[in-house]
Amino acid sequence: DADVTQTPRNRITKTGKRIMLECSQTKGHDRMYWYRQDPGLGLRLIYYSFDVKDINKGEISDGYSVSRQAQAKFSLSLESAIPNQTALYFCATSDPRTSGIYNEQFFGPGTRLTVL
Amino acid sequence: AQTVTQSQPEMSVQEAETVTLSCTYDTSESDYYLFWYKQPPSRQMILVIRQEAYKQQNATENRFSVNFQKAAKSFSLKISDSQLGDAAMYFCAYRSSGAGSYQLTFGKGTKLSVIP
Repeated sequence: DADVTQTPRNRITKTGKRIMLECSQTKGHDRMYWYRQDPGLGLRLIYYSFDVKDINKGEISDGYSVSRQAQAKFSLSLESAIPNQTALYFCATSDPRTSGIYNEQFFGPGTRLTVL
Repeated sequence: AQTVTQSQPEMSVQEAETVTLSCTYDTSESDYYLFWYKQPPSRQMILVIRQEAYKQQNATENRFSVNFQKAAKSFSLKISDSQLGDAAMYFCAYRSSGAGSYQLTFGKGTKLSVIP
């Protein structure tokens, strides 16, 4: 299902370019997250937001910024892309009001970003 | 900080056989949540099964079950009657149950191959 969508799905860019990855959700969830996946490292949290006015840094926020334009939209920006930001990026959503005690996270399809 | 360890980078199983993927974690908390996510070649992160630490009974979802050993801090995933569609990366994840907790801590993943 397409409850959480990410655009673009794939992107190749050059060092120094600014790039934005977008995430939209139709689940009505209030919490949104950006993760980065590198081979052999699993997923690591970049930023998270609990509502439109709430933005928080995660484990690896350096070199990234985010914008929560609306409850349903959460964008990740690389102000000046560098090759070691080449990775798979995931957006996720959750909402303890509807997910119960587990507050499980639902992931988008991912964006594969290559920085040359 | 919590850590999650998946000691098997790769595993393989014959179709229709049973395979167990290992996951251990380090925490000082008494209540928390554990998850197994599947990532097929499509890249989508799919929740397979979840477990609350206070629940003694091991979770089961169709052919997927867990062996949760709280004292040993172990959370292994058993896949019975393996199918070709089970071939994927599998990630174990931990989340605290503390108020306002949100962050999933992932292991590095195990790549499962299913041999016809």
